[in-house]
Order: sequence, then C-alpha cells, then structure tokens
Amino acid sequence: AQSVTQPDIHITVSEGASLELRCNYSYGATPYLFWYVQSPGQGLQLLLKYFSGDTLVQGIKGFEAEFKRSQSSFNLRKPSVHWSDAAEYFCAVGAGYSTLTFGKGTMLLVSP
Amino acid sequence: DGGITQSPKYLFRKEGQNVTLSCEQNLNHDAMYWYRQDPGQGLRLIYYSQIVNDFQKGDIAEGYSVSREKKESFPLTVTSAQKNPTAFYLCASSIDRTGYEQYFGPGTRLTVT
Repeated sequence: AQSVTQPDIHITVSEGASLELRCNYSYGATPYLFWYVQSPGQGLQLLLKYFSGDTLVQGIKGFEAEFKRSQSSFNLRKPSVHWSDAAEYFCAVGAGYSTLTFGKGTMLLVSP
Repeated sequence: DGGITQSPKYLFRKEGQNVTLSCEQNLNHDAMYWYRQDPGQGLRLIYYSQIVNDFQKGDIAEGYSVSREKKESFPLTVTSAQKNPTAFYLCASSIDRTGYEQYFGPGTRLTVT
C-alpha cells in the first residue's frame, strides 16, 4: 500500500524568506502527486499536481514542487513567503484506483 | 458558481443519536468522497462513491453509512456505533473515477457530547 510522510509537523518561516516543505512517498510505480493547502476551519484547496512529464510543477499562489524519483520525494517550494501563506499543507499520493492517500500535514507559521 | 457545499458548518449532537451530514456538488463530478480529519492525523477516508447507487468503504468506515441516490448528493450518516464521532468532516468530489484530482467542500465540524 502507498504511504506519504511529511517529516515536519510545524515549520516557522520569516516573511519574505524562502520555503521548502518536505514530502516523501512510498509506492512501487510512478505515483500521481498533489499538494493541498488548508486554512483553519476550511476545506482543502489544490495547489498543484504532478501526473507525468516535467518534474518541476508550477502551481497557484507562486508555489512549485519538484518530483524526484530517486529520492521518492515531492517537496513544495516558494521563493518568498507572505503572511497569508500561513496554513496547513498536505501532500497526497494517488496510486490505487480512485483514492488518494494523504500525509499528516505540515503547519506553516509565518513570523513578521 | 460551481462548487461543493456542506451543511451545516457546525453540528452538535448528544451521544447515542444518529446524525446526517450533507454534501452537495454542482460540478457534474462522477466521484464523491468523505474524509474525517482529526488534529495531527491528516485526512482519513471514510467512504467513496464512483457512480450513483454504488459506494465503497474507505479506511475507517465502521460506524458510518452513506447513500448515493443522486449524482450531486452524497450524505454521510454518523451512527451511534461510531465510538469517537467528534471530528471535522470533509466532503470531496473528482471529475472522474480515478479520484486523482479532488476538490473539497468547506467541511462540517461535528461535536458529540
């Protein structure tokens, strides 16, 4: 069965600094990979997705992620964080038919 | 506007009562999903449905039931058999049966006392 690990429960970044959130997956074949963001008490919003092709994927709100097969990773990055980026971020993998497996999330705190 | 609606936003029930959470989508999506979210646990799949009148159990289906009588509706019933029902419940849909690109509703926070 597939699994997703987000090693960092919390991350604090200064406003304007760069950001990288880590995601590692376990699956035997090429997975479909996703990053979602959740503001407190809200639903999840899709930031970006990787299905195939170019391993560097651009998403909304200035986010990007890079698929590295050799490291089984799909890390999320942003060059300059804004206070409005403070939220919880979830990595997900689609490897079986019709369902996603989510990581436990990383809470991003942005300091002034 | 197309989207997924969940109602109500907050729901309070006494222990021993069944409660039904609503999920409606006007995206014309085939598949719909219910997740439970607890702090530090991520999202766990309760049930999903790929077509009308058909649904499958997810990882934590015990104590829950669903129906899919219409394409746009996928209500979740939390029964009295669910031992720890207090949680945040999220409904999602995807355009096709792969389920690989899911869109989420705003969630319902259920509190059972």
